[in-house]
Amino acid sequence: NAGVTQTPKFRVLKTGQSMTLLCAQDMNHEYMYWYRQDPGMGLRLIHYSVGEGTTAKGEVPDGYNVSRLKKQNFLLGLESAAPSQTSVYFCASRRQAKSYEQYFGPGTRLTVT
Amino acid sequence: EDKVVQSPLSLVVHEGDTVTLNCSYEVTNFRSLLWYKQEKKAPTFLFMLTSSGIEKKSGRLSSILDKKELSSILNITATQTGDSAIYLCAVEASQNYGGSQGNLIFGKGTKLSVKP
Repeated sequence: NAGVTQTPKFRVLKTGQSMTLLCAQDMNHEYMYWYRQDPGMGLRLIHYSVGEGTTAKGEVPDGYNVSRLKKQNFLLGLESAAPSQTSVYFCASRRQAKSYEQYFGPGTRLTVT
Repeated sequence: EDKVVQSPLSLVVHEGDTVTLNCSYEVTNFRSLLWYKQEKKAPTFLFMLTSSGIEKKSGRLSSILDKKELSSILNITATQTGDSAIYLCAVEASQNYGGSQGNLIFGKGTKLSVKP
């Protein structure tokens, strides 16, 4: 199993450009999450999904959109990138219900100039 | 507002030392507390604690939860340079009665540096 994979690993955008980050998991997990990590800020939840076709806002959703058309994929979109969105983005997934750990992808380092 | 606070934020020790990392939390409907280790890339899971007073142990690492004090500690004995990492504490809280989205609230992490 590959676990959780993220594409791309690095990206540089100019202000106003758009892009989509792809997260894929092969563990048949129901729940998927997108986080951003900034220096000294820990991990903050952007959006999450509790199943195919569902999405919900997390702590810092502004400027991002997500879609979960297939159970194994969770896409994070930036419609008009801003320098404040320069960050490392992590995707995670976990089994449904109860308390199970989240499994993280390797991250995408995004720089917006 | 739910929050998780870790201390210290950074720590420098020498190989062989024993360290204790702290995590305190204020959340409604606590379900579990998790510890992760983050080196250069993705956080990797260490422990999940749900019951107070029961120690989880893995090699030189151990952790215990104190629900009365709303806190947890992560101990690392006989530290090695390979233990250098950011250690993240996260708390899962139920958002709805009987259910949980599994959302984690993370602390800012403790950066541990182990010198040879």
